[in-house]
Amino acid sequence: GAVVSQHPSWVICKSGTSVKIECRSLDFQATTMFWYRQFPKQSLMLMATSNEGSKATYEQGVEKDKFLINHASLTLSTLTVTSAHPEDSSFYICSAEKYGDTQYFGPGTRLTVL
Amino acid sequence: AQTVTQSQPEMSVQEAETVTLSCTYDTSESDYYLFWYKQPPSRQMILVIRQEAYKQQNATENRFSVNFQKAAKSFSLKISDSQLGDAAMYFCAYRSIVGGYSGGSNYKLTFGKGTLLTVNP
Repeated sequence: GAVVSQHPSWVICKSGTSVKIECRSLDFQATTMFWYRQFPKQSLMLMATSNEGSKATYEQGVEKDKFLINHASLTLSTLTVTSAHPEDSSFYICSAEKYGDTQYFGPGTRLTVL
Repeated sequence: AQTVTQSQPEMSVQEAETVTLSCTYDTSESDYYLFWYKQPPSRQMILVIRQEAYKQQNATENRFSVNFQKAAKSFSLKISDSQLGDAAMYFCAYRSIVGGYSGGSNYKLTFGKGTLLTVNP
């Protein structure tokens, strides 16, 4: 199998607070994990690539100080949205790469910032 | 940079019939991977099928098959005997393999904009 979990599935927070989203590969080790953002009725937008034990690589236009990514182990990566604002409200999806070629996706996290 | 184009924003099919979703891509690389992912209303991205460019044989997974035309840079998905559960957004995606097949790569997926498939009972 290739199961990826995300927690929480839905989070509501107040403007100015920080939110952490966890992504776990449950039955395989993933050297590389990816974080995406998806707006309604649009495709996935890659935010950053996360390698275990090293700094994440952010896509152009993504604020690395706002979207903190940590890949502490071969099965866990976290995305922290710092000082969240209503414009950060979105659907965030992680994926983990198995066998160095195929990405398997988590179920996503819906973030609502009030 | 690679690009992936899905020219059909929406498609519909009658239950039990066959539908083909189109995908074209642009690349200068000779070896790569191509994928079809499905995103139902739950928004969970599900791998449907994978194709290695070096393989001439078209990939098949049960009712799902692809028509991979490397020279034409075309990668269409055929869904046979369509079922209500096939209703979803379908994304075509490209992945480079320049540098080898080892894990830990930073090779991104380039996605198309998606095709929304409706299955009519």
